[in-house]
Amino acid sequence: GESVGLHLPTLSVQEGDNSIINCAYSNSASDYFIWYKQESGKGPQFIIDIRSNMDKRQGQRVTVLLNKTVKHLSLQIAATQPGDSAVYFCAEKGSGGSNYKLTFGKGTLLTVNP
Amino acid sequence: NAGVTQTPKFQVLKTGQSMTLQCAQDMNHNSMYWYRQDPGMGLRLIYYSASEGTTDKGEVPNGYNVSRLNKREFSLRLESAAPSQTSVYFCASSEWVPPYNEQFFGPGTRLTVL
Repeated sequence: GESVGLHLPTLSVQEGDNSIINCAYSNSASDYFIWYKQESGKGPQFIIDIRSNMDKRQGQRVTVLLNKTVKHLSLQIAATQPGDSAVYFCAEKGSGGSNYKLTFGKGTLLTVNP
Repeated sequence: NAGVTQTPKFQVLKTGQSMTLQCAQDMNHNSMYWYRQDPGMGLRLIYYSASEGTTDKGEVPNGYNVSRLNKREFSLRLESAAPSQTSVYFCASSEWVPPYNEQFFGPGTRLTVL
């Protein structure tokens, strides 16, 4: 079946540094990807998305990179702040009959040290 | 604009008891979803409703039933709760415009089955 996974389960960075969170996906037909942030005790919150016809997309302090050749997705957070501490999930949208479904990775815990 | 709301926030059940988790959204979205989140497992889809009047099974539907009451509301029922159903349950909604499927999540219901 299709799967989305993460290379690093935990990441610890210093405040002000840049963070990079990685994700591998297995379905080459997936056409849409999302990064979510989940703070403790809350529901996932949308950060940024990217279509499969793009390689890069930038938001406010965040950038998502998509490498379809190796089926790899990354989230870059610039000038990481303590408020960025959370679990980050990547998700891919299925194709064909699974068009409505998002498949989530297991998540990476980002800890920002002051 | 409350987004996605869920009730209750917390619930403790005994094995064999039944209960219904409620979800409502005020964004006029067509699609709604129920996920469960377990440590180290990420988010797994239980059931979804692509549009009012339709429901479909996700990855882990056993032991659950759903009702799409109207466009706003989507409930999840546990007929005979089991300890394996101890989890955090999230409801989400989206307006699917291909290929985009940004899902908006509620705050979650933390369920413990003893």
